[in-house]
Amino acid sequence: EAGVAQSPRYKIIEKRQSVAFWCNPISGHATLYWYQQILGQGPKLLIQFQNNGVVDDSQLPKDRFSAERLKGVDSTLKIQPAKLEDSAVYLCASSINPGGEQFFGPGTRLTVL
Amino acid sequence: EDQVTQSPEALRLQEGESSSLNCSYTVSGLRGLFWYRQDPGKGPEFLFTLYSAGEEKEKERLKATLTKKESFLHITAPKPEDSATYLCAVQGAGGTSYGKLTFGQGTILTVHP
Repeated sequence: EAGVAQSPRYKIIEKRQSVAFWCNPISGHATLYWYQQILGQGPKLLIQFQNNGVVDDSQLPKDRFSAERLKGVDSTLKIQPAKLEDSAVYLCASSINPGGEQFFGPGTRLTVL
Repeated sequence: EDQVTQSPEALRLQEGESSSLNCSYTVSGLRGLFWYRQDPGKGPEFLFTLYSAGEEKEKERLKATLTKKESFLHITAPKPEDSATYLCAVQGAGGTSYGKLTFGQGTILTVHP
């Protein structure tokens, strides 16, 4: 069974630039999550989708971050404009249902200079 | 607000030297407590889910236990390949998100041959 796919794996940008991350969850998984993991910390939930609807985006900095999950499969997370403090690993996870085991992708490491 | 604290922050063991990692939590109605392993440059890998106090689960050299306030991950006769960051997370019944994981900061385990 293929796991959660993410791209790119690494990205380096200047502050105030824009960046987008892509996630393809495990086939059949209705719930998709984006987490932010700052170095030395545990992952922090940014947004949760159930199919193509947003369940929780309470910790998403909406002035600069946006996410969508069209057709309830792939998802894109965008940052515009990026700040230095956005440097982190962005992890995508999926689960069959909201209470189920979450499977994580390899993450995208973002460095903002 | 759900909170998770892990201790110690780092643990160095000799191969074969058994020890335990601690995860203390406060949560508004525990739906599940999760243990993940994270290797450098990779996403978290699921290990265990515990649902109620008194529950125990085992996998190879790892054993997870749960009380009403904390969980322990016991490592018996560790090997160098057990070196990783171990993350604990809780899924609570409060709030708007059923599925959201709140993570601790992790324990970095290093096992020397």
